[in-house]
Amino acid sequence: AQKVTQAQTEISVVEKEDVTLDCVYETRDTTYYLFWYKQPPSGELVFLIRRNSFDEQNEISGRYSWNFQKSTSSFNFTITASQVVDSAVYFCALRDSNYQLIWGAGTKLIIKP
Amino acid sequence: NAGVTQTPKFRILKIGQSMTLQCAQDMNHNYMYWYRQDPGMGLKLIYYSVGAGITDKGEVPNGYNVSRSTTEDFPLRLELAAPSQTSVYFCASSYRTTGIVYKPQFFGPGTRLTVL
Repeated sequence: AQKVTQAQTEISVVEKEDVTLDCVYETRDTTYYLFWYKQPPSGELVFLIRRNSFDEQNEISGRYSWNFQKSTSSFNFTITASQVVDSAVYFCALRDSNYQLIWGAGTKLIIKP
Repeated sequence: NAGVTQTPKFRILKIGQSMTLQCAQDMNHNYMYWYRQDPGMGLKLIYYSVGAGITDKGEVPNGYNVSRSTTEDFPLRLELAAPSQTSVYFCASSYRTTGIVYKPQFFGPGTRLTVL
């Protein structure tokens, strides 16, 4: 069965702290894709990153970085020097063999000034 | 490009009423999707379409209907609204080819529906 688990329901940190959002997935597929989406308080969904199962290189984009480890079936997301504008719900998702996205429940991130 | 647009943004229905949530995309995407997001939860797929004239059920299709007469439009119909359908509805689209290259889904802003 395909499944995405985001065990952290809510995280609260003070601005400028680093924060890591965890994502653990289950899949029987050998080829798959993983995604992170951001949902700010306004409600829209914003695509952040896609990672395919063949590429285990970590990726950095500004203050955002992603750590993909197939050995532990994890795709964690780190925000460095967090800012208030980073406050949002973050979703991890897995694309299954039917090309549909399986979503985690989301982690609400609160950045306090 | 407007991307993925949804109307209305908000709607309140009475039990038993019907309505259509509109979704349109101008990116020439072949795949379109409808999701619902219940409070504090992740997204659940209601229906999806791989192209004009083709639709299929997702995880939670009961109580909904869809049609895809054009590439651009993918309306979602609620025939007999029930309180359990109170949710935020997201439409999404993506472009899929026969190769392994995958394009992410692009989402509309959502429609907040309350059934009383």
